[in-house]
Amino acid sequence: DVKVTQSSRYLVKRTGEKVFLECVQDMDHENMFWYRQDPGLGLRLIYFSYDVKMKEKGDIPEGYSVSREKKERFSLILESASTNQTSMYLCASSLGYSGNTEAFFGQGTRLTVV
Amino acid sequence: TQLLEQSPQFLSIQEGENLTVYCNSSSVFSSLQWYRQEPGEGPVLLVTVVTGGEVKKLKRLTFQFGDARKDSSLHITAAQPGDTGLYLCAGLNRDDKIIFGKGTRLHILP
Repeated sequence: DVKVTQSSRYLVKRTGEKVFLECVQDMDHENMFWYRQDPGLGLRLIYFSYDVKMKEKGDIPEGYSVSREKKERFSLILESASTNQTSMYLCASSLGYSGNTEAFFGQGTRLTVV
Repeated sequence: TQLLEQSPQFLSIQEGENLTVYCNSSSVFSSLQWYRQEPGEGPVLLVTVVTGGEVKKLKRLTFQFGDARKDSSLHITAAQPGDTGLYLCAGLNRDDKIIFGKGTRLHILP
């Protein structure tokens, strides 16, 4: 059974902390994504990686960075957490070719910054 | 920028009724996908449509891709409480990024 695993379901962090969100997939997928989901705004792409050590900015990369040292792992880093980064964070992976491709999602990490 | 607009944003109907939700764009997509997301979970793929005019059926759910590949619809026949959830359409843009509509939150009343 295909699986995308996010390290935490719930996190509470203080303003200014450095926060790491980890995502691991076991499907040998090339593409991995980080989205945040907020009421009324839908899923917004933060960063996207199409290969190891490769990354591209999505629509809202400010305040975030990513790391992909191994194909199966894609980490999202909040350099200095702020309250406006309180959100549901979703990691996804997909095969690395254009056209008909399915995104597999993790269960999400609900982050609260206080 | 390629955008996907979904309508309606919210829909609450009685069990047994039929409904249609829409996903529209001014851009052409090579494929469109529909996902359902339940509270506390990540989205799960329902279907992918690839060919303009394509119709796919998944039990009581019927998905259609517009002839020009700019829009799609999801029709549910005889809705059940188990159909409750957030329905998201998604498309692959020119840069291989998967972009999502804001979703339709569906609530089926027993």
